[in-house]
Amino acid sequence: QKEVEQNSGPLSVPEGAIASLNCTYSDRGSQSFFWYRQYSGKSPELIMFIYSNGDKEDGRFTAQLNKASQYVSLLIRDSQPSDSATYLCAVNRMRSQGNLIFGKGTKLSVKP
Amino acid sequence: DAGVIQSPRHEVTEMGQEVTLRCKPISGHDYLFWYRQTMMRGLELLIYFNNNVPIDDSGMPEDRFSAKMPNASFSTLKIQPSEPRDSAVYFCASSLTGPKQPQHFGDGTRLSIL
Repeated sequence: QKEVEQNSGPLSVPEGAIASLNCTYSDRGSQSFFWYRQYSGKSPELIMFIYSNGDKEDGRFTAQLNKASQYVSLLIRDSQPSDSATYLCAVNRMRSQGNLIFGKGTKLSVKP
Repeated sequence: DAGVIQSPRHEVTEMGQEVTLRCKPISGHDYLFWYRQTMMRGLELLIYFNNNVPIDDSGMPEDRFSAKMPNASFSTLKIQPSEPRDSAVYFCASSLTGPKQPQHFGDGTRLSIL
């Protein structure tokens, strides 16, 4: 099993819809979870981070964490064409100094 | 505030040449990370430093790769000799208090080895 798994997509949603991006991880001891957005040819940009079970909201973005199921998700409400990008999930390892492991990302396309 | 600054933005060189990538972290950030991103392998951690000291270099692919951080505001990643399979985008990132905390990325260096 890969340490951090994401559906590569593309995930296509119409403008104004809710986009749901999912990520599973294998290390039960992981404590820190991040979502980065990466536009084509650009660097990863931090969108959200979450440390505790439950939901965390920031504007149109909601991160959801379920440690029992080893699952973290990102919801984007009222999706805009400008949200079209690749979304990277990152999880820290308990071993190896707690380094972040990145998933390969889900490509999101928001159609006008 | 200035973000993480990397140079050069693009580098094209021939196989066998030495390549040096540079990074200036965000002022006050104690942790600096070097990552490599390829289509096949995604974003991978190569090495990271805490207060200028290398903490984990287990991601460095082989002895051809080396990294230094002579002071809190500068780090280099060197490849010598370079090979075509080293072609990738190399990112530097920094964080305030550790690898479990949010990391902020530079714009990256797109490296092409011919």
